[in-house]
Amino acid sequence: SQQGEEDPQALSIQEGENATMNCSYKTSINNLQWYRQNSGRGLVHLILIRSNEREKHSGRLRVTLDTSKKSSSLLITASRAADTASYFCATHTSGAGSYQLTFGKGTKLSVIP
Amino acid sequence: GAGVSQSPSNKVTEKGKDVELRCDPISGHTALYWYRQRLGQGLEFLIYFQGNSAPDKSGLPSDRFSAERTGESVSTLTIQRTQQEDSAVYLCASSLGGVRQPQHFGDGTRLSIL
Repeated sequence: SQQGEEDPQALSIQEGENATMNCSYKTSINNLQWYRQNSGRGLVHLILIRSNEREKHSGRLRVTLDTSKKSSSLLITASRAADTASYFCATHTSGAGSYQLTFGKGTKLSVIP
Repeated sequence: GAGVSQSPSNKVTEKGKDVELRCDPISGHTALYWYRQRLGQGLEFLIYFQGNSAPDKSGLPSDRFSAERTGESVSTLTIQRTQQEDSAVYLCASSLGGVRQPQHFGDGTRLSIL
């Protein structure tokens, strides 16, 4: 079953602009991860944020987590054409079966040069 | 190789045939996962292997689907009597194990059932 739901489903921006994607989930989590998928390729891990963390940075990426609202956001600053891809959030639920990652349907980001 | 390798990259077969998909994980990774991704969708968990423990098969959609893993190396996903709804990309991932380890994905096998 789908745990995370990303929005928007699709986002188109100009190169240099910031891109923000959101993810909502339903159950208590151990951690939340963001992945990128280029067309026809596998997923690439971007960043992991633990349930007791509120914000995390990695290069041009900034992730926030609000466990009270069961939501996360991924911000890509100063976007580049190479950032064009689908972005997925994935959650590890707390408790039994916590080794499973449950993925959302993704946000398709297009960065126009 | 350095990454997760899957073969074949593409497979076209007729409805009713059996197919076998292969995954070579990153050396040293104890955990291995299979996912299915339908067009424009997220990933559906299929099965998980961790070391010598019994695999978690809770995501397999029917008894036509099975998977094996030899120790901590190669895994094969077998789909018997394929149906058109089995058409999808099948992705394999491996990790060092544990909930905080990132998963490393192969590029998948694109399966098309005619």
